[in-house]
Formats: sequence, C-alpha cells, structure tokens
Amino acid sequence: DMKVTQMPRYLIKRMGENVLLECGQDMSHETMYWYRQDPGLGLQLIYISYDVDSNSEGDIPKGYRVSRKKREHFSLILDSAKTNQTSVYFCASSLSRDYAEQFFGPGTRLTVL
Amino acid sequence: GEKVEQHQSTLSVREGDSAVINCTYTDTASSYFPWYKQEAGKSLHFVIDIRSNVDRKQSQRLTVLLDKKAKRFSLHITATQPEDSAIYFCAASRTSGSWQLIFGSGTQLTVMP
Repeated sequence: DMKVTQMPRYLIKRMGENVLLECGQDMSHETMYWYRQDPGLGLQLIYISYDVDSNSEGDIPKGYRVSRKKREHFSLILDSAKTNQTSVYFCASSLSRDYAEQFFGPGTRLTVL
Repeated sequence: GEKVEQHQSTLSVREGDSAVINCTYTDTASSYFPWYKQEAGKSLHFVIDIRSNVDRKQSQRLTVLLDKKAKRFSLHITATQPEDSAIYFCAASRTSGSWQLIFGSGTQLTVMP
C-alpha cells in the first residue's frame, strides 16, 4: 500500500522550543517535499530533497532546515520555533525529479504559543 | 515570481449541477497542470492533470481545459455529488529543472443537496 506518513499529527510547542517533524514513504521515491498550508495561501514549498543529502531551498526556507539521511525519511526541523510558524505542514513525495505527480502525507498541525 | 491564481475562494452548486473552477498562471514555460482535492480535515490527493501538449482531458465526470494563450486552465465537474464537496487546488509546474509545483490558494466547493 503506497503511503506517505507524518509524525506527529498534532503538536503544540512554546516559542523558542525546537520542533522536529518527521515524514516517511514506502514507495522508494527519490524526491520529497515539505510544504506549509495557511488559510488563503495554498501550499508554499519550504524545502525539496532530490535524494539522500541532496536538499534544496524552496520558496520559504527561512527558519527551517531539513535532514534526509535515508531515502524513505525526510525531516523538517524548526530551531527555536516562532509563533508565525503555526501552520499545517505537509510532506509529499514523487518518484523522481523527472516525475510530476506528488503524493501527500496526512499533515501535521503545529501550534507555536 | 511565478504565480498561480484561483479567483474563486468559494463555489456553491446544487447537487446534479456542474461546477467550474478557474485558475490562471504566469509562467509561460509551465507545462504540467495538476488538480488536487482536499476533503475536510484530510490531506491532498491527486484528481486529474493536463499537460501543455493537449488542451482538453476528461476522466469520468472531470474535465480539464487548458488555454495556453490566455494562460488559463479550468476544472469542470459534471453531475456534482455531495462527496465532491472539498477544497480544490490547482497547480502549475515551474521551470526549475525538476517538477516543482506552484499551488493556487484553493477553492472551497460546496455541493448542496
């Protein structure tokens, strides 16, 4: 069963705390993405990873970093979270950079107080 | 920068009627235009796409039209059903050497019984 998973699904943190969002996929997809979704703004690309240790900034990378040490896992890290990082975060994957269709995870709702 | 605009934030139709959701894009080199559906509280899943070498694609009750001159594409849903109620996101590929997508802000479609 082809799947993208995200953990945790809900998270509440205080401003200044560190946040780790995890994403996994079981499809051996090369390319993985992190997006955030805010009301009225659609999805904004934070980072894209083309394979292990091959990561590129998206449109809004400031305040975020990523880690991809295994093809099936892609982590999003917020060092010292800010209240404006409260959002729903989606991970997605695609077969490779040459394949367009993206498969999305269930999302993580992050609240930073 | 490149943009994808969805001009209707909400759309209500009666069950059985047709619904049309419109999007415009700015990048003339965009060649791939997918649509995603997000049901309440759930993730996005792919519904239909069109590539720039055709101007129409149909899949059951869904049809996508592409007007490259006007840089406009639209999703047509016929014989709408309550389960069609969701947020629909259009997207367009950007010319970055990989299949990155720029998403519109979403249209909430409500199908009233």
